[in-house]
Amino acid sequence: DAKTTQPTSMDCAEGRAANLPCNHSTISGNEYVYWYRQIHSQGPQYIIHGLKNNETNEMASLIITEDRKSSTLILPHATLRDTAVYYCIVRVNTNAGKSTFGDGTTLTVKP
Amino acid sequence: GAVVSQHPSWVICKSGTSVKIECRSLDFQATTMFWYRQFPKQSLMLMATSNEGSKATYEQGVEKDKFLINHASLTLSTLTVTSAHPEDSSFYICSAPDWPSSYEQYFGPGTRLTVT
Repeated sequence: DAKTTQPTSMDCAEGRAANLPCNHSTISGNEYVYWYRQIHSQGPQYIIHGLKNNETNEMASLIITEDRKSSTLILPHATLRDTAVYYCIVRVNTNAGKSTFGDGTTLTVKP
Repeated sequence: GAVVSQHPSWVICKSGTSVKIECRSLDFQATTMFWYRQFPKQSLMLMATSNEGSKATYEQGVEKDKFLINHASLTLSTLTVTSAHPEDSSFYICSAPDWPSSYEQYFGPGTRLTVT
């Protein structure tokens, strides 16, 4: 699996958009970009994933650059409950597509 | 979305004893499950890939005789920590891909193991 690089930590004001970047310059053509988050002492929670097109769901938006070497997760209106560690992962979409976790970004949403 | 459960959610055991952790896919079948370990303030580290009906595949540096994995059915994988020691105290998390229904990988809530 390709390696990802994320900032160690970020702060965001409650109600504002949180933009979390991720670099994955060695991503392969068949690898998808996945985002998960982990709230303290819980298992990771799936947020969103994409291959090359931008994606949006009820939780977030995912913007992938045209060369696919980086992406940005956008939480449009961050709340205090969005405080968590956010992990960007790249992996193939098969049954054996194991996720390799980096250090992630600790997002702190402040009132 | 699909749900993965783990049991127990936390366990305390004495050094030298064995502990079994269960991982279940509740509303889907999983021929593959993954086991992770997470130490405090660290990221998740993949330990092994559990395959239904066959031997597990262990990541480099993980002792297969210490961390026994059994995937006897399409909805259950177990991780047994044998002869546990205090350094095995950690947060153990399993995951399962809901494949081919979706490409998402669902994670269990984790099991906190403390070895005294």
